[in-house]
Formats: sequence, C-alpha cells, structure tokens
Amino acid sequence: AQRVTQPEKLLSVFKGAPVELKCNYSYSGSPELFWYVQYSRQRLQLLLRHISRESIKGFTADLNKGETSFHLKKPFAQEEDSAMYYCALNPAYSGAGSYQLTFGKGTKLSVIP
Amino acid sequence: DTGVSQDPRHKITKRGQNVTFRCDPISEHNRLYWYRQTLGQGPEFLTYFQNEAQLEKSRLLSDRFSAERPKGSFSTLEIQRTEQGDSAMYLCASGSGGTDTQYFGPGTRLTVL
Repeated sequence: AQRVTQPEKLLSVFKGAPVELKCNYSYSGSPELFWYVQYSRQRLQLLLRHISRESIKGFTADLNKGETSFHLKKPFAQEEDSAMYYCALNPAYSGAGSYQLTFGKGTKLSVIP
Repeated sequence: DTGVSQDPRHKITKRGQNVTFRCDPISEHNRLYWYRQTLGQGPEFLTYFQNEAQLEKSRLLSDRFSAERPKGSFSTLEIQRTEQGDSAMYLCASGSGGTDTQYFGPGTRLTVL
C-alpha cells in the first residue's frame, strides 16, 4: 500500500525567505506525485504535478526517486502563499489502474510579514 | 460557476439518522471520486466512479455507506445509521480524459450529535 508523509504540521517563514515543504512517499511502482493547496475558505486545488515539470506561482517540486521525495520549494515566500499544502500520490501512472489519490496529512504554511 | 458543486454544504444530524449528500461534477468529466477528511488529516479515498460504474471502494467504506451515480452525471453518498465517528468533511472530486488531475468541490461538513 502507498503512503505519503509530510513531517511538518506547521511551517512559519518570513516574507522573502526560502520555503521548502517536505514530502516523502512509499510505493513500489512509479507513481505520479502532486501538490494540492487549500487557501483559507477555498476548496482544495491542484498546485502542480511532477510530470508537468512546471513552476506555478514560483513553486517547483522535483521528484527524487532515490530518496522517494517530492519536496515543494519556493525561493522567496510571499504572504499570499499562506495556506494548507497537501502532497498526494496517484499509483495510476505506473499502470496500476487506480485513480485514487493518497494524501499526506498536510503542512500549514504561515508567511510572516 | 462551472466547478464541482456539493449539496448541502453543512449537515447536522443526530446519531442513528440517515443522511444523503449530492455531488455535481464538472459536466464533461466521466470520473468522480468521494473522499473523507477529518480534522488534522488529509483527504482519505472512499470510492471512485467511471461514468455510472463504481470501480473502487475503500475498506473505509463500511456497509452503512453507499454511493451511486445512476446516469453517470451527479452522484449521491448516503450514510445510514450515522455514528459520531462519521463527523467529517466529505469531499467530491471529478476528472476526465487522459489526465488524472482531480478537481475538488467545496465539501459537505457533517456533524453527528
């Protein structure tokens, strides 16, 4: 069974400081990894996915298969980045035929002005 | 608003009562998912439909839970004989095509007294 671990429940950084939200996963195949974000009073929404190799709102995430990690990074935090961030795994990418997402418990990012 | 919608947004019920939630996915999406989220946790997968067929069910989905998607459009999630442990946010998501991105609704918050 797959598992996603986000070791930090809360991360506080000052505006302009670098941000790294950690995500580790366990899965025997080659899953697809996502970061979802939930801003205050808004619904959960996709931030980025590893196969797209995009930078969204200044955030990037690199899949490290050796360390089974998918950490989310941003060089300069902004106040509007304050939100709940969830790392998620989808085994369907490896042909498992399942589309369910397995989520971590989330990290609350607080950017201090 | 063409996003995923859920009704009701909040539901308070007494233990032992039955409740039913509705999800309307994005119109062209053939995949529909239900998740449950409790305080301090990430969303947990409950069940998945492709069109009207229920293809996956989590072991979290006890016999008291049933989900339907009769015409491959909207879906309902019914909980019979509710228990206090059923108190949670119930999230619906939809997706389609070759991408496995899931688009989430605002959720239905259930409180069982």
